[in-house]
Amino acid sequence: DAGVIQSPRHEVTEMGQEVTLRCKPISGHDYLFWYRQTMMRGLELLIYFNNNVPIDDSGMPEDRFSAKMPNASFSTLKIQPSEPRDSAVYFCATRLAVGTDTQYFGPGTRLTVL
Amino acid sequence: QQQVKQSPQSLIVQKGGISIINCAYENTAFDYFPWYQQFPGKGPALLIAIRPDVSEKKEGRFTISFNKSAKQFSLHIMDSQPGDSATYFCAARGDSGYSTLTFGKGTMLLVSP
Repeated sequence: DAGVIQSPRHEVTEMGQEVTLRCKPISGHDYLFWYRQTMMRGLELLIYFNNNVPIDDSGMPEDRFSAKMPNASFSTLKIQPSEPRDSAVYFCATRLAVGTDTQYFGPGTRLTVL
Repeated sequence: QQQVKQSPQSLIVQKGGISIINCAYENTAFDYFPWYQQFPGKGPALLIAIRPDVSEKKEGRFTISFNKSAKQFSLHIMDSQPGDSATYFCAARGDSGYSTLTFGKGTMLLVSP
């Protein structure tokens, strides 16, 4: 299995632009999590899905952030408009529903907003 | 509010030494405590985990010690190697929903040759 796939790996954009981060989960995993990692705040959970349905988005910092999971094979995290303080590494992680508590992380997308 | 407090922020250990990273939690509803290891440019990966019904779990050179009454747990890396140089995160499950993990802020470990 290829593991969790994220794209792009690096994104540099200018303030005010729309940014879309993409995640392909491990096949058969029922849970999908979006995290943001910064030096100051560590790993923060932004939102998670179960069977493509958003369960808890209380970690999404502002209305500028939105996430979708249109099917079991794909999820997006969108920032519109982007701001310099959004610069961080964004991780997608997935997990089976039963039999394990392990979350499998993708390689992350390093976002820089100028 | 920081639900899982991790220390130290950074740690330098000589090759062959013991690395110790500590975590403390507040919520007694937490029932699963994993440690994740992250190498530069990679996502975190599960290293070892413990549940509160045992006080210690060992896997190779890695040991978790768990103190339920003190609400503390720690990671010990015996015979530390340069290849262990990474960032380590403790985490706990059971706070906001049974499916999510609350992470500590991480400890950057450097093992010098």
